[in-house]
Amino acid sequence: SQQGEEDPQALSIQEGENATMNCSYKTSINNLQWYRQNSGRGLVHLILIRSNEREKHSGRLRVTLDTSKKSSSLLITASRAADTASYFCATDGQAGTALIFGKGTTLSVSS
Amino acid sequence: DGGITQSPKYLFRKEGQNVTLSCEQNLNHDAMYWYRQDPGQGLRLIYYSQIVNDFQKGDIAEGYSVSREKKESFPLTVTSAQKNPTAFYLCASSQPKRGNYGYTFGSGTRLTVV
Repeated sequence: SQQGEEDPQALSIQEGENATMNCSYKTSINNLQWYRQNSGRGLVHLILIRSNEREKHSGRLRVTLDTSKKSSSLLITASRAADTASYFCATDGQAGTALIFGKGTTLSVSS
Repeated sequence: DGGITQSPKYLFRKEGQNVTLSCEQNLNHDAMYWYRQDPGQGLRLIYYSQIVNDFQKGDIAEGYSVSREKKESFPLTVTSAQKNPTAFYLCASSQPKRGNYGYTFGSGTRLTVV
């Protein structure tokens, strides 16, 4: 079962522009996480937002969470070519289970 | 440096053959996970283990088996019963008991049926 769905599936922007990716999920959560994956590599944890938080920042990353709409967004400001990667949201299920990942958004940043 | 090591990086399997993918971590994490990634499919959970000598099936466990005899190790065996094993396999770990819910991933094993 796939809990999260990212939108758009693919995004192409120029360096310096902002990139926004969205994630929708189906059931209640304790936290939502965002990960990055460079081509052919493992995933890297970017940020976690708890269900009682509405916004969180980390460097050039800004994550929002709207539990009433069951959605989250990841904003990358002032994008760089090195930000080119796939980005996944992941939600937790019941305690003691594993994260459920969406299909990801592929971001391409051209210089 | 602490981390997760997956080996081999590339693995080729013949029809009817069992193969084992290695996953070792030195992060002292209790929980470990195996995911399968196919193009356009995202990550799908195969098995996970919250503690030594215990593990649970994920969404696509058929044709796979695991063991968790040591905290550091969580090997995945792809059996001949798995009809379409060609994929990218990712191992991860976490320490939820200490409030560390983020996963640390290995660099993956790419399995191809020849």
